[in-house]
Amino acid sequence: LAKTTQPISMDSYEGQEVNITCSHNNIATNDYITWYQQFPSQGPRFIIQGYKTKVTNEVASLFIPADRKSSTLSLPRVSLSDTAVYYCLVGDRLGNQGGKLIFGQGTELSVKP
Amino acid sequence: GAVVSQHPSRVICKSGTSVKIECRSLDFQATTMFWYRQFPKQSLMLMATSNEGSKATYEQGVEKDKFLINHASLTLSTLTVTSAHPEDSSFYICSAYIRGEQFFGPGTRLTVL
Repeated sequence: LAKTTQPISMDSYEGQEVNITCSHNNIATNDYITWYQQFPSQGPRFIIQGYKTKVTNEVASLFIPADRKSSTLSLPRVSLSDTAVYYCLVGDRLGNQGGKLIFGQGTELSVKP
Repeated sequence: GAVVSQHPSRVICKSGTSVKIECRSLDFQATTMFWYRQFPKQSLMLMATSNEGSKATYEQGVEKDKFLINHASLTLSTLTVTSAHPEDSSFYICSAYIRGEQFFGPGTRLTVL
């Protein structure tokens, strides 16, 4: 399973755009990139998933360069409620590994007023 | 998306007792569920893969005789922490793997006195 590396923490202010980059140098051909959000004492919540180029949903955008060795989660105009830990995971979405996901250290985002 | 529930949400027990945590997939059948453990300020650590109708697969370093997993139906997996000790105090999270996506439960806070 591909290992991921993220910044341990980031600070931002309300209304700013936040970009969190994740490195996954040994990503496999079948691997997808998935980001989760976790608030204290809650289970992780799916944010976005992508394979290549750009994916956008109502919550965030995910930018993946052509070599797929990194990805960037972009949160537009963050609010205080976006304060959470964000995890970048790489794995086979199609189930060839049984859906097993291994969490890295995550990025603790702190949004200030 | 699928809804996964856990019961209880928090439990306090005395050292030496056993505690059972339930994980239910409320609206989908899940042949595979996962159990994670998370200590304060740390990431989720995968403990085991729970497969309906067969024995669970444990990650390296996780004692299968201490953390008993039963996946008797397609909507229920249970984790029993046997002879719990204070060092077992943690946040336990389950997830259900359904059609290529993983849905997490809200977690169970276990405190062993």
